[in-house]
Amino acid sequence: NAGVTQTPKFQVLKTGQSMTLQCAQDMNHEYMSWYRQDPGMGLRLIHYSVGAGITDQGEVPNGYNVSRSTTEDFPLRLLSAAPSQTSVYFCASSYSGGAGDYNSPLHFGNGTRLTVT
Amino acid sequence: AQSVTQLGSHVSVSEGALVLLRCNYSSSVPPYLFWYVQYPNQGLQLLLKYTTGATLVKGINGFEAEFKKSETSFHLTKPSAHMSDAAEYFCAVTLNAGNNRKLIWGLGTSLAVNP
Repeated sequence: NAGVTQTPKFQVLKTGQSMTLQCAQDMNHEYMSWYRQDPGMGLRLIHYSVGAGITDQGEVPNGYNVSRSTTEDFPLRLLSAAPSQTSVYFCASSYSGGAGDYNSPLHFGNGTRLTVT
Repeated sequence: AQSVTQLGSHVSVSEGALVLLRCNYSSSVPPYLFWYVQYPNQGLQLLLKYTTGATLVKGINGFEAEFKKSETSFHLTKPSAHMSDAAEYFCAVTLNAGNNRKLIWGLGTSLAVNP
């Protein structure tokens, strides 16, 4: 049972480069999300999706794009990397994020550690 | 604005001692409450959750938490710490935000367990 799989585990980018962080889940979860984790700042939501074809912004969306063409995959794109995007990125999914079902726990991947120089 | 406060960014206990990690929230409506644990170099995983019903909730690895509405608290406890409990612990609150999940996170508490 793979759960939530994130690739790559580590990445180093130069300022201005672009890349895609991959996230895939095999639990048929409707809700998927991307967080970044920075020391002293906890977890901050970047983007989320409540189903295929539906995405929305979280609290720190600038500099990131997402799409959701399938239920399983939710890639995060960095358009032009900046040092401020150095962070650990987590993808998380849950059974449902829609109205009426707020108690489904999130399942997290093991993270991608990104360094932008 | 709704918020979650975890008192103490670092907590250190001796092996076998009581673990108490504090979480307070501010909300005008009954929330759903969660504790997650993050072991080094891993993602977060659910320890326990409170939705409705019994206010004392038991989770994995011997942890439990009690929802106290009057104190707006959801403190995490474990009677006897084990070395393997060393990790980062996050309290989170889900609030009804119309058609969207709104999950508010505490900043986390790092638990160290000393031999």
